[in-house]
Amino acid sequence: AQTVTQSQPEMSVQEAETVTLSCTYDTSESNYYLFWYKQPPSRQMILVIRQEAYKQQNATENRFSVNFQKAAKSFSLKISDSQLGDTAMYFCAFMNRDDKIIFGKGTRLHILP
Amino acid sequence: ETGVTQSPTHLIKTRGQQVTLRCSSQSGHNTVSWYQQALGQGPQFIFQYYREEENGRGNFPPRFSGLQFPNYSSELNVNALELDDSALYLCASSPRQGSGTGELFFGEGSRLTVL
Repeated sequence: AQTVTQSQPEMSVQEAETVTLSCTYDTSESNYYLFWYKQPPSRQMILVIRQEAYKQQNATENRFSVNFQKAAKSFSLKISDSQLGDTAMYFCAFMNRDDKIIFGKGTRLHILP
Repeated sequence: ETGVTQSPTHLIKTRGQQVTLRCSSQSGHNTVSWYQQALGQGPQFIFQYYREEENGRGNFPPRFSGLQFPNYSSELNVNALELDDSALYLCASSPRQGSGTGELFFGEGSRLTVL
């Protein structure tokens, strides 16, 4: 069975700093997707970044980037120049090709002014 | 293009009652998944519907059931409500099963409180 583990329940950083959220996962599959979703207090899950397992290049979306280590089954999220609007719950998630997502328990991120 | 919409946004029920939650998928999406998110936890997969048929189920009892309609909208029904059913219920749609895009589009959820 696939599992996703986020070892940091809560983190706080100062505005404009860089922060890294950790995630590890377990699967026997070779082809899958990994995601970071953001859930602000408004509740709606917002896709932050997506990584396809067969792509070796780390995904990047503006201030958000990942460090994907397939052999180590590690998928961390780096947020550069953090902003107050980045305050939210962040979920690491795994999906195989049948569109069923398995989420980690989340990391609550606070960006401090 | 409209996004995923869910109703109601909030509701309160008592133990033993039944509830129906509704979801309209994003235009062009024929796959709908339901997730339960307990307070402070990550969402847990309940089941998925593809072209009106259940296509996979998580570790939830049979009192959790669903439907998908020809327009691809969906319902989640929960019978004999228990206190532990209190949670945010999220609906997500995708263009087609195994689409390869790897992205689900989520609604804002229905917050269910069971007293």
